Amino acid sequence: KAGVTQTPRYLIKTRGQQVTLSCSPISGHRSVSWYQQTPGQGLQFLFEYFSETQRNKGNFPGRFSGRQFSNSRSEMNVSTLELGDSALYLCASSIGDGGRTWKSIQYFGAGTRLSVL
Amino acid sequence: QQPVQSPQAVILREGEDAVINCSSSKALYSVHWYRQKHGEAPVFLMILLKGGEQKGHEKISASFNEKKQQSSLYLTASQLSYSGTYFCGTPNSGYALNFGKGTSLLVTP
Repeated sequence: KAGVTQTPRYLIKTRGQQVTLSCSPISGHRSVSWYQQTPGQGLQFLFEYFSETQRNKGNFPGRFSGRQFSNSRSEMNVSTLELGDSALYLCASSIGDGGRTWKSIQYFGAGTRLSVL
Repeated sequence: QQPVQSPQAVILREGEDAVINCSSSKALYSVHWYRQKHGEAPVFLMILLKGGEQKGHEKISASFNEKKQQSSLYLTASQLSYSGTYFCGTPNSGYALNFGKGTSLLVTP
């Protein structure tokens, strides 16, 4: 079974631009979560999608948005990029069996490293 | 709410033991542990569930004190391959997790 795939692996953008990152979950997984990883801050939760609906959102500004498609693939978008948005963006999928969320294991992709100049 | 991990960093020699702690300010149903090697994705190690059930890595053990809302990861007889950053995660309202800031572990020969 293929793992979680994130594209692109690396991105360089300038301040003010926008960017779209893509995530393909493990086949059969319905939940996709996004995290931002920066040095010293660890993994910070951005948002989670399940069956095309955003279920939960972390404490990030509205410039960060996302969506999930019917095949469970997900995209996240960051508009009006700032220098502080430079980070590794990780996507994780879970099987999302409809219950027992606290037992669900997250499987991570390799991430997209975004550099904002 | 982000769980709190300690210590922030550990340096060990091969064969030595280490303990990584994770605490939360809210009641927990489970604690998840992941390891991330430099330049790689975080990899699932272990999940500890309320009630004592646990699943995960054969050579790494952990404990979960539900009343104290704490978990500890025990790395015994450490190997070079144990080097990496360890994260604990606690469930938020969906399938996602709130992760601690991580504990950097370096095992030297």
